[in-house]
Amino acid sequence: QKEVEQDPGPLSVPEGAIVSLNCTYSNSAFQYFMWYRQYSRKGPELLMYTYSSGNKEDGRFTAQVDKSSKYISLFIRDSQPSDSATYLCAMSGTGDSGGSNYKLTFGKGTLLTVNP
Amino acid sequence: DTGVSQNPRHKITKRGQNVTFRCDPISEHNRLYWYRQTLGQGPEFLTYFQNEAQLEKSRLLSDRFSAERPKGSFSTLEIQRTEQGDSAMYLCASSPLASDTQYFGPGTRLTVL
Repeated sequence: QKEVEQDPGPLSVPEGAIVSLNCTYSNSAFQYFMWYRQYSRKGPELLMYTYSSGNKEDGRFTAQVDKSSKYISLFIRDSQPSDSATYLCAMSGTGDSGGSNYKLTFGKGTLLTVNP
Repeated sequence: DTGVSQNPRHKITKRGQNVTFRCDPISEHNRLYWYRQTLGQGPEFLTYFQNEAQLEKSRLLSDRFSAERPKGSFSTLEIQRTEQGDSAMYLCASSPLASDTQYFGPGTRLTVL
């Protein structure tokens, strides 16, 4: 079993739809959770960053972390064609100094297409 | 702030050759990271530097791989005696000391024939 599982999709939705993307993980040491967006042939771009459990909202994006279930989600409201990309979840554990250990473990990524 | 830059963007080489990639992090970012991404997979951590010190290496970083950051600014990743399995996108990221946020470069795509 991989440490981080993510459904690769592809996921195709109409413009304006609410999109739900999810990851599960097995390593209970993970404390820092991120969502990255990656366009074709580009590097990943950070969208959301959360520490431990809870919700975080930023514009059309909401990230949720449920550590008890080892499950994280990203919701995209009012999806746009420009949201079409691969979405990667990533997480890291705690380092010796108490902050992140900086070693990100990624899911495989979910390919999202938003159709106009 | 011009972002993380990587050169070359593409490299095609024959099996057995050595290749070297360069990463220039965002100015004043103390931490620098290397990841490898193959088709259909997420990036996999290879190694990271804090200033010029290499603090962690993944078991993925075999003896044929070596990374340096001699003056705490740019970094190089060298692969010796390349194999077809080394074909991948090599991503570099950087972050400042006060933040866990990693900013990624565009990557170097390596093809080993």
